[in-house]
Amino acid sequence: NAGVTQTPKFQVLKTGQSMTLQCAQDMNHEYMSWYRQDPGMGLRLIHYSVGAGITDQGEVPNGYNVSRSTTEDFPLRLLSAAPSQTSVYFCASSYSNSFTETQYFGPGTRLLVL
Amino acid sequence: AQSVTQLDSHVSVSEGTPVLLRCNYSSSYSPSLFWYVQHPNKGLQLLLKYTSAATLVKGINGFEAEFKKSETSFHLTKPSAHMSDAAEYFCVVRATQMDSSYKLIFGSGTRLLVRP
Repeated sequence: NAGVTQTPKFQVLKTGQSMTLQCAQDMNHEYMSWYRQDPGMGLRLIHYSVGAGITDQGEVPNGYNVSRSTTEDFPLRLLSAAPSQTSVYFCASSYSNSFTETQYFGPGTRLLVL
Repeated sequence: AQSVTQLDSHVSVSEGTPVLLRCNYSSSYSPSLFWYVQHPNKGLQLLLKYTSAATLVKGINGFEAEFKKSETSFHLTKPSAHMSDAAEYFCVVRATQMDSSYKLIFGSGTRLLVRP
């Protein structure tokens, strides 16, 4: 079981380009989420999903879109990249969004927007 | 409002000496509390979690943390540091919102340096 996987590991974009960050999990988890990590700020929630077909915004959703067509996959789309989106992006999943549930994190995608 | 404060951005210890990483939280409701570790260029790995059972929680790799409600603290400790403990550590609060949903709130992280 691979856990949570993310691709690519590293990406360089020019301002205005679009791209999709991929996230997949093989643990049959219902809850999936995307975070960005910036220096000195911990992780901030971008979008999350409580199941296939259901998504919602987190703390910093602007400039990002998500969809959840299957339980396994939760891609994050940048429609028009901006330098402010330079960050490390983490995908996470858990069986549910219950109070005590542990979230499992992927290895991250480092994104540089020039 | 819920928040979490990691009191030290950097902690440096010698190998074999105790580790103390401090975390204070603010929550209107009883929280769940987690410590995650992130090694360089890796994802976050759960060290331990508190979910309103025993106040002293034991985790992996010899780490433990004690939930102190009166002090609103959840400090992470280890009796003897190992070189492999060098990493960044995040204290995380999962707090109930007014609409009964849950939200994870991350601290800003503490970088642990271990000197030979």
